[in-house]
Amino acid sequence: DAGVIQSPRHEVTEMGQEVTLRCKPISGHDYLFWYRQTMMRGLELLIYFNNNVPIDDSGMPEDRFSAKMPNASFSTLKIQPSEPRDSAVYFCASSLGGTGNTIYFGEGSWLTVV
Amino acid sequence: QKEVEQNSGPLSVPEGAIASLNCTYSDRGSQSFFWYRQYSGKSPELIMFIYSNGDKEDGRFTAQLNKASQYVSLLIRDSQPSDSATYLCAVRIMEYGNKLVFGAGTILRVKS
Repeated sequence: DAGVIQSPRHEVTEMGQEVTLRCKPISGHDYLFWYRQTMMRGLELLIYFNNNVPIDDSGMPEDRFSAKMPNASFSTLKIQPSEPRDSAVYFCASSLGGTGNTIYFGEGSWLTVV
Repeated sequence: QKEVEQNSGPLSVPEGAIASLNCTYSDRGSQSFFWYRQYSGKSPELIMFIYSNGDKEDGRFTAQLNKASQYVSLLIRDSQPSDSATYLCAVRIMEYGNKLVFGAGTILRVKS
C-alpha cells in the first residue's frame, strides 16, 4: 500500500516567494493533518481536516499560511509570502476514524527560505 | 507546564541493556497515548499505542501507562544500535479538542 505522499521533498526558496506543499493521504483515510517540525518547537499541529472539511486551524501561525483539501485524495499547504522563520520540515499525515487513532506520516517536505 | 513533557536526553545505553523512556502529560482526561520513533531525517513512525492502565508488550517494546500519576513510559529490552533514534510521546489532549499533542522527544543512543 502506498503511504502518505508529499511533494516536493526539498525546496529552497527566497524570502517573499510563494511556497506550495502538496499531500496525497492514504486512500480511505478520512482525516488529514499538517504538522510542522523545528528544533526549537518540535512537532506542531497546524491544521487538520475531516472528510475534506477543515476542523481546527488554530495552529496555523498567521495569515500567510493557508491550507485546502479540494477532494479526499489531495491537500495543499501554502505559504505566501514566505519568510526565513518558516524554514522547517512540514509533515502531512492521515488517519482513519479520528484524532485519537493511529496517524501515519508522509516523508515530509524540507523547506528552506533564504 | 507543557501538555506533554519528555526529557530531551540524550539517553545512552549499552547494547543489550534496557532503555527506559518517560513521558508525563497534563490533561487528566487523556485516554489515548502513542509512542513514535523518528530516525534522523525521517518521518515519525508508530511503535505502540496504549489506552488502558498497565503494561502492553509488543516484541522488545513495552508501554506502561499510569493515569493516576499521569505518565506513560516505553521500555526497550535488548537495545540494539538500530534503536538509536528520537522517541516521541504523543497524547490525545481532550481540553484541546482531542488533538494529538507531541512531546519534544527523547534522543536514545545505543552504544555497541
